[in-house]
Amino acid sequence: GAVVSQHPSWVICKSGTSVKIECRSLDFQATTMFWYRQFPKQSLMLMATSNEGSKATYEQGVEKDKFLINHASLTLSTLTVTSAHPEDSSFYICSAEAGGWDNEQFFGPGTRLTVL
Amino acid sequence: AQSVTQPDIHITVSEGASLELRCNYSYGATPYLFWYVQSPGQGLQLLLKYFSGDTLVQGIKGFEAEFKRSQSSFNLRKPSVHWSDAAEYFCAVGGSGNTPLVFGKGTRLSVIA
Repeated sequence: GAVVSQHPSWVICKSGTSVKIECRSLDFQATTMFWYRQFPKQSLMLMATSNEGSKATYEQGVEKDKFLINHASLTLSTLTVTSAHPEDSSFYICSAEAGGWDNEQFFGPGTRLTVL
Repeated sequence: AQSVTQPDIHITVSEGASLELRCNYSYGATPYLFWYVQSPGQGLQLLLKYFSGDTLVQGIKGFEAEFKRSQSSFNLRKPSVHWSDAAEYFCAVGGSGNTPLVFGKGTRLSVIA
């Protein structure tokens, strides 16, 4: 099956620093990638939809200047958390869609971000 | 509005017993329905999906789900639960290509001996 990787799998950073998370589709080209956020013991909340070569579409309430999304190629999307604060600590999960009719999304393993 | 309701936050079953996890959805168009499983600290694994056709779909690990349009439900079932099935289960709904999924809040499954 299709594989999506995320890097890093976990990261700890100091408050005020920026962190970049990569999402890669390893064996297919992803026309669309999605970024989700999951707080402990809660569901996944969509942050943004990223289409290759165009600006990301952010969900209401998600600060686009804080969560920078770049989808520079059909196999890579990045999420940069700028000036991170402890409240940004969360589990970030990406998914990638190959563009077929069936809307199947393939999920990455997630990135655990802890901001001190 | 699109939404998914998983009414059971936590379910405990005995190993070998049958399981049913409930999922109700609200979606304005033809729904594409999914069940995912998540182990602690891990990503999501697709158990099964429904797009069209036979309303009873078979998935991996012995799971199945039945789509009932009249009840807007897509309940997940397994005839005999194994201890390794203990995890968080998410139901999700989406539309045709390039639309994000809407997830339910999840049901945590505990399995006791």
